[in-house]
Amino acid sequence: AQKITQTQPGMFVQEKEAVTLDCTYDTSDQSYGLFWYKQPSSGEMIFLIYQGSYDEQNATEGRYSLNFQKARKSANLVISASQLGDSAMYFCAMILTQGGSEKLVFGKGTKLTVNP
Amino acid sequence: NAGVMQNPRHLVRRRGQEARLRCSPMKGHSHVYWYRQLPEEGLKFMVYLQKENIIDESGMPKERFSAEFPKEGPSILRIQQVVRGDSAAYFCASSDFSGTSGREPYEQYFGPGTRLTVT
Repeated sequence: AQKITQTQPGMFVQEKEAVTLDCTYDTSDQSYGLFWYKQPSSGEMIFLIYQGSYDEQNATEGRYSLNFQKARKSANLVISASQLGDSAMYFCAMILTQGGSEKLVFGKGTKLTVNP
Repeated sequence: NAGVMQNPRHLVRRRGQEARLRCSPMKGHSHVYWYRQLPEEGLKFMVYLQKENIIDESGMPKERFSAEFPKEGPSILRIQQVVRGDSAAYFCASSDFSGTSGREPYEQYFGPGTRLTVT
């Protein structure tokens, strides 16, 4: 069964430093997609970055990059030059397509705190 | 281009009442997904709908919960006879693509969520 594991309940980082949030996934599909979302204290879900299983290069979006290691089934999010506004919950998710359906499977999340 | 809209943003219901949550997808999107987030948890899939069709309701509780996406108007998630355990944030997402084998899925765009509190 498809599953997302985020092993870090909480992470702390100093402002302006880089931080890596871990995500491992389990799937038997050959074609899949991985997402990272940010959820600030206000509660909305903000899309950060997407990695397709066939993408040869790691995805990047501004200060966000995805360290995709297909053989290890990991899709870690790297945030460079952390800012105070990066303090939030971060969720890794995988798209599950099956029998004409399509749904996101989420991990439990990592709470990131950026210290001044 | 307006994003996914959900209303109300906050809803308080007493035990036994009905809750109706509304979701208007992004313009041009015909696929709607509902997710539930319990406190301190990630989002859990509930149901996937296209216009006038329920595609996948495998995440919906068997009783008291129903969803629809009519030809005209928003998608509705309905919870009858609410209980305290229904207190959660309910998110709607929309997309313009339904995955088929061999193709990469498109992003699902999320609404701001409805926070349901059952007293």
